[in-house]
Amino acid sequence: AQSVSQHNHHVILSEAASLELGCNYSYGGTVNLFWYVQYPGQHLQLLLKYFSGDPLVKGIKGFEAEFIKSKFSFNLRKPSVQWSDTAEYFCAVTDTDKLIFGTGTRLQVFP
Amino acid sequence: DAGVTQSPTHLIKTRGQQVTLRCSPISGHKSVSWYQQVLGQGPQFIFQYYEKEERGRGNFPDRFSARQFPNYSSELNVNALLLGDSALYLCASSLAPHLVVGPQHFGDGTRLSIL
Repeated sequence: AQSVSQHNHHVILSEAASLELGCNYSYGGTVNLFWYVQYPGQHLQLLLKYFSGDPLVKGIKGFEAEFIKSKFSFNLRKPSVQWSDTAEYFCAVTDTDKLIFGTGTRLQVFP
Repeated sequence: DAGVTQSPTHLIKTRGQQVTLRCSPISGHKSVSWYQQVLGQGPQFIFQYYEKEERGRGNFPDRFSARQFPNYSSELNVNALLLGDSALYLCASSLAPHLVVGPQHFGDGTRLSIL
């Protein structure tokens, strides 16, 4: 069965620093990939998704992710983080229409 | 537009009891999925329903069951509650099961605590 690994469990950054969160999935073939964000006290929100085409995907709030098929990776990036980006970030991959989530990465951004 | 709504927000039960959680999808969404999120982990898939039919089931015991109604709302039932069932239960709705049609939108969840 498909699985997702997020190796960064807790990331602490200062404002304006660059961000990269790792995400790897377990096997290839046709995959649909997602990044969701959960701000404190709020529900999961979709940041961006990849189905096909350009492997560099742009999402909301200045986030982007790159799909690298050869590395089974879908890393999330942002060039300059803000305090408001403090949240938990989840990578997910579809497996026969259901979402398989990683364990999440907690991002704390300090002013 | 209203998002995915779940009720109740919080629930406290004791071991052995039964619980029913409710979910109303976004208007026009016909597929509902349920997830369990234990503290410190990502959501784990429990069920997916589409047009009142079960489309998928995760690795959960038979104590967990669900159904979808003609208006596409859904209920998740858990019998014989165990301490390990304490979690945030998330409902997500989408236009269709195939997520290329549209992504899943999540509700705020029901926080279930078992004493």
